[in-house]
Amino acid sequence: NAGVTQTPKFQVLKTGQSMTLQCAQDMNHEYMSWYRQDPGMGLRLIHYSVGAGITDQGEVPNGYNVSRSTTEDFPLRLLSAAPSQTSVYFCASSQGQGRNTIYFGEGSWLTVV
Amino acid sequence: QKEVEQDPGPLSVPEGAIVSLNCTYSNSAFQYFMWYRQYSRKGPELLMYTYSSGNKEDGRFTAQVDKSSKYISLFIRDSQPSDSATYLCAALDQGGATNKLIFGTGTLLAVQP
Repeated sequence: NAGVTQTPKFQVLKTGQSMTLQCAQDMNHEYMSWYRQDPGMGLRLIHYSVGAGITDQGEVPNGYNVSRSTTEDFPLRLLSAAPSQTSVYFCASSQGQGRNTIYFGEGSWLTVV
Repeated sequence: QKEVEQDPGPLSVPEGAIVSLNCTYSNSAFQYFMWYRQYSRKGPELLMYTYSSGNKEDGRFTAQVDKSSKYISLFIRDSQPSDSATYLCAALDQGGATNKLIFGTGTLLAVQP
């Protein structure tokens, strides 16, 4: 019972590099989202998707790109990494929006030097 | 001002103590509130959710919402070392086209054996 799977778990990037954080869920959930978690800031929504082919911006979308070509996968791309993007990233999914239980992945720890 | 405010702690209590975790929120339109528990190096997991004002009990955990004061609380009775985690409150923002969860910053709880 995999749930929400994120890779990689840890990554160190140099400023200016690009990379993709992978996220996959096996629960056939329509709603998927990416959050970042920083000390003193809590969880902040980066991008979300309400279904395949549909994405939208959250609270802190700058510097990140997403796509949703399948129900299962929702990758997050860092276009040109900056030290301000050092954070823990969580992918999440739910059956619908809001009141439905949100299931989080185990997180991806990203350091940009 | 953040829409959901939470005391970051840390909070340290002896085993068996009653723990009170609290959040305030600013938007009187919020009606659904959740508590998530996050163990170290893990993703958050839903603990409880409540609708509007009132109490909801689940084993040793009680969630309480006071809409008149915009105050949400989580009580843990007979606290155990296994309850040591970060507790995140969240409110559901249904004001836009898509529902979004607004998280507090989290309170770190340590239950000492």
